[in-house]
Amino acid sequence: NAGVTQTPKFQVLKTGQSMTLQCAQDMNHNSMYWYRQDPGMGLRLIYYSASEGTTDKGEVPNGYNVSRLNKREFSLRLESAAPSQTSVYFCASSDREYNEQFFGPGTRLTVL
Amino acid sequence: EDQVTQSPEALRLQEGESSSLNCSYTVSGLRGLFWYRQDPGKGPEFLFTLYSAGEEKEKERLKATLTKKESFLHITAPKPEDSATYLCAVQGVFNNDMRFGAGTRLTVKP
Repeated sequence: NAGVTQTPKFQVLKTGQSMTLQCAQDMNHNSMYWYRQDPGMGLRLIYYSASEGTTDKGEVPNGYNVSRLNKREFSLRLESAAPSQTSVYFCASSDREYNEQFFGPGTRLTVL
Repeated sequence: EDQVTQSPEALRLQEGESSSLNCSYTVSGLRGLFWYRQDPGKGPEFLFTLYSAGEEKEKERLKATLTKKESFLHITAPKPEDSATYLCAVQGVFNNDMRFGAGTRLTVKP
């Protein structure tokens, strides 16, 4: 089992460009999450999907959109990237909401 | 608002030198407290979940404990391979977020 996979691993964007980060899990988990991690600030939740067909905002949703494509896949879209979105993005999944989460390897995004 | 504070920010130990990492939290009803390990350039790896004060869990050289205001991650006779950043997170009953602390960066020298 691959667990949680994320693509791409690295990305450099110019201000105003758009992109989609992809996440997939093969653990048959119901819940999926997107976080960003910035130095000294810990992980912050952007959006989550408690189950297929539902999405909800987390702590820092502004500037992002998400799509729960199916039970396995959960994508994060930046419509118009800003330098403040330079960060490391992690996708995670859990079998149920509120249970321990399993993380992917992350995407390092730089916005110039 | 749920909050998590971890201390110290960084800790350097000699191999075999036992110590503890602290996670202080405020939450309106604790659903669970989680410990993760994160190696450089990788995603966090789940270690433990604690649900109520007095609970303890162990895994190899690590032992996590929980009180009503804080959790400790005790590291006994650490080895260089225990070097990593250790993250603490809380899940409250009134929030859908899992709130993370900024982590403690542990370095164990041989």
